[in-house]
Amino acid sequence: EADIYQTPRYLVIGTGKKITLECSQTMGHDKMYWYQQDPGMELHLIHYSYGVNSTEKGDLSSESTVSRIRTEHFPLTLESARPSHTSQYLCASRGVSGRAGEQYFGPGTRLTVT
Amino acid sequence: TQLLEQSPQFLSIQEGENLTVYCNSSSVFSSLQWYRQEPGEGPVLLVTVVTGGEVKKLKRLTFQFGDARKDSSLHITAAQPGDTGLYLCAGVRGSTLGRLYFGRGTQLTVWP
Repeated sequence: EADIYQTPRYLVIGTGKKITLECSQTMGHDKMYWYQQDPGMELHLIHYSYGVNSTEKGDLSSESTVSRIRTEHFPLTLESARPSHTSQYLCASRGVSGRAGEQYFGPGTRLTVT
Repeated sequence: TQLLEQSPQFLSIQEGENLTVYCNSSSVFSSLQWYRQEPGEGPVLLVTVVTGGEVKKLKRLTFQFGDARKDSSLHITAAQPGDTGLYLCAGVRGSTLGRLYFGRGTQLTVWP
């Protein structure tokens, strides 16, 4: 059972608001990821981190930013939310012992921007 | 361009039927994973296959990795309503440290 948590699970917010989606894992994993998922579409990698103070942008252009100050914590921030940011956001992690690339996912945050 | 193509996109069957879901690519993968995702939840890892031709069984689920490591299949025997969910394949190219590429998934519904 993977121990990776995301809060909030659901968020409805108005345009222009700043939001932070939280992601924490208690497995000591070095690698953490943020994905965006829309219905009928594949998971799009938007950010990843290979360790503390390491962050990179993924394939999908995103106006969000991330930070990795502690191993267990990988928050995602939107400075000014827009309706186009409405989506499901999934956080995942993977340890060095993770055989062949397996990632463990949190339950996700469903974001709606009105 | 989709690196991993999953088919079918939707599958609706009666309890007790068998089914196969396919995951195909023109690229070679060093490993491939299958995940299942239920509504409102994150994907849960089912299995990893790493060797061409490898077959793994998980109760009524059988996973196969193609000989050339470009494709995979998931076969479910005697499907049950609890099997309902979105099945995602994902693969790693090159180094096993590399990122995962996901297919768009197969939405399976099993009716009682």
